[in-house]
Amino acid sequence: KQEVTQIPAALSVPEGENLVLNCSFTDSAIYNLQWFRQDPGKGLTSLLLIQSSQREQTSGRLNASLDKSSGRSTLYIAASQPGDSATYLCAAPAGGGSEKLVFGKGTKLTVNP
Amino acid sequence: DTAVSQTPKYLVTQMGNDKSIKCEQNLGHDTMYWYKQDSKKFLKIMFSYNNKELIINETVPNRFSPKSPDKAHLNLHINSLELGDSAVYFCASSQGGWVQPQHFGDGTRLSIL
Repeated sequence: KQEVTQIPAALSVPEGENLVLNCSFTDSAIYNLQWFRQDPGKGLTSLLLIQSSQREQTSGRLNASLDKSSGRSTLYIAASQPGDSATYLCAAPAGGGSEKLVFGKGTKLTVNP
Repeated sequence: DTAVSQTPKYLVTQMGNDKSIKCEQNLGHDTMYWYKQDSKKFLKIMFSYNNKELIINETVPNRFSPKSPDKAHLNLHINSLELGDSAVYFCASSQGGWVQPQHFGDGTRLSIL
């Protein structure tokens, strides 16, 4: 059974800092892993989807890496801005051919001006 | 030109009532989902439809019945509402199932009195 864990649960940093959010998963037989952003009172916005054949995926100041062998993914945010403040969730397929996504509980990021 | 739209945004009702939440996507996607996010912000899938066909049906009380009249719509009907049904319900869609990024609506906050 796939379990997704995100550490830390909350993170507060000053503006301009580079930071890393961590995600670990128990079933490494995954085809991909997704990172989402959730703003208060809003739905999720897909940030990056990394296929299992890739090790990294980049979009602007965001870089996500995937290491299936260790069951880990990281989301790197460069030069953080107050507008980056949100909850970041990672999600991995449930495995066993299931189409379900299993979500972590998220990391709540606050970037202070 | 909202991609995934849900109505209503807020729903406050009495225990025992029956209510529906509507979802529409204009992205041309063939797969739609319903998720439940509880008070602890934990997001779990409830149902998934692909081209109007039920693909995923999690362990959800049969008081919850999804209906997909066409591939652009996936509505959620809930009978005999209970206090534990209070949550935020998110609709999402994707093209080609879980291998592609999912696009979320802004959620429907359901509060049971």
